[in-house]
Amino acid sequence: SQQGEEDPQALSIQEGENATMNCSYKTSINNLQWYRQNSGRGLVHLILIRSNEREKHSGRLRVTLDTSKKSSSLLITASRAADTASYFCATAYTGGFKTIFGAGTRLFVKA
Amino acid sequence: DTEVTQTPKHLVMGMTNKKSLKCEQHMGHRAMYWYKQKAKKPPELMFVYSYEKLSINESVPSRFSPECPNSSLLNLHLHALQPEDSALYLCASSGPGLAGGQNRDEQFFGPGTRLTVL
Repeated sequence: SQQGEEDPQALSIQEGENATMNCSYKTSINNLQWYRQNSGRGLVHLILIRSNEREKHSGRLRVTLDTSKKSSSLLITASRAADTASYFCATAYTGGFKTIFGAGTRLFVKA
Repeated sequence: DTEVTQTPKHLVMGMTNKKSLKCEQHMGHRAMYWYKQKAKKPPELMFVYSYEKLSINESVPSRFSPECPNSSLLNLHLHALQPEDSALYLCASSGPGLAGGQNRDEQFFGPGTRLTVL
């Protein structure tokens, strides 16, 4: 079963605004990753945060990880219309080989 | 080359057909994956190959048969599929392989094959 839960399921914002998506998971993880998927296409890796890290930045992206709450957030600052896509968190579990994807957040950025 | 390629892009098949999906990467990755994705749903893991050996089979029906002929290629053979198998099939790779039993690497995805079973 998919163990990563994301909220919101859908988010609509204006260009220039910030977008925040949240992800929760259930068991111990080795790392947590965020991916973007444009409609009907393959996934693109955005950022990976390891279980011993609390925050990571990459360009306009900021990811936080709270292992005590088993949650992560992805912040996209100064959003652009091109950021319109589905965003998935994916967790790699300690002692396992699998990467489990969350349900995803559909982000729509209006120009 | 940081690309994962998949062929065909689209496939329509009948329930009695046999077809194959192909995936190729030249990044030296030693782990390769098949995922199935239904519309508006997350990808669901089907199979994982590590160093050309099947490591994970997520209880996938036998009408799906994976094959890893070498470290760069991954096939998914399809036979006697059902209409509910219609989906986007994604291939991914990561490397240099599954270290210490745990995947610490990002996965690189291909564009997928859109499969329709009639």
